[in-house]
Amino acid sequence: AQSVAQPEDQVNVAEGNPLTVKCTYSVSGNPYLFWYVQYPNRGLQFLLKYITGDNLVKGSYGFEAEFNKSQTSFHLKKPSALVSDSALYFCAVRDDSGYSTLTFGKGTMLLVSP
Amino acid sequence: SAVISQKPSRDICQRGTSLTIQCQVDSQVTMMFWYRQQPGQSLTLIATANQGSEATYESGFVIDKFPISRPNLTFSTLTVSNMSPEDSSIYLCSVVARVVDTQYFGPGTRLTVL
Repeated sequence: AQSVAQPEDQVNVAEGNPLTVKCTYSVSGNPYLFWYVQYPNRGLQFLLKYITGDNLVKGSYGFEAEFNKSQTSFHLKKPSALVSDSALYFCAVRDDSGYSTLTFGKGTMLLVSP
Repeated sequence: SAVISQKPSRDICQRGTSLTIQCQVDSQVTMMFWYRQQPGQSLTLIATANQGSEATYESGFVIDKFPISRPNLTFSTLTVSNMSPEDSSIYLCSVVARVVDTQYFGPGTRLTVL
């Protein structure tokens, strides 16, 4: 069975500072890893994914994530946080079999203060 | 990416009634899914909607409570039957264009059951 752990319920950061939202995973086979963001009263928006290749993945809105196979982690990062980045962030994993479904973490609320 | 619309966007319903949620995609997709997001919680997969055949339900979800249709490659419906206040959630449609592609989400339907 596959699983995702987001150890922090909430991350607080000041605007302009770097941010990290942590994610670790467990999956049989090779992982496909995703980050999504949910703004209040909105659906999920895709940020970035790792399928194969370069371990550092760049995505929307200046976000990036680093795949670390030995630590089974896929932490989301941004060099300089914006107040508008405040939202709920979900990490998700599926395996590389043809029709595997996504498993989501519980989500991490990011609060960026002015 | 696919453009996904859901109807209704929100509804308030009485206990014991049923609500059908529609999901429309602007292009043909391989897979369609229905998720539930209970207040303050992560996403839980209800079922995979299969074109022309019965949906594949996850553990804890049954067809009598959540009947699903998928008549073609761009449209699906989810019915929440005999509703109770515990069914109050956001219901999200999700699609994958091809097997290895990103999974995209609709804007969600916010359901409140009184």
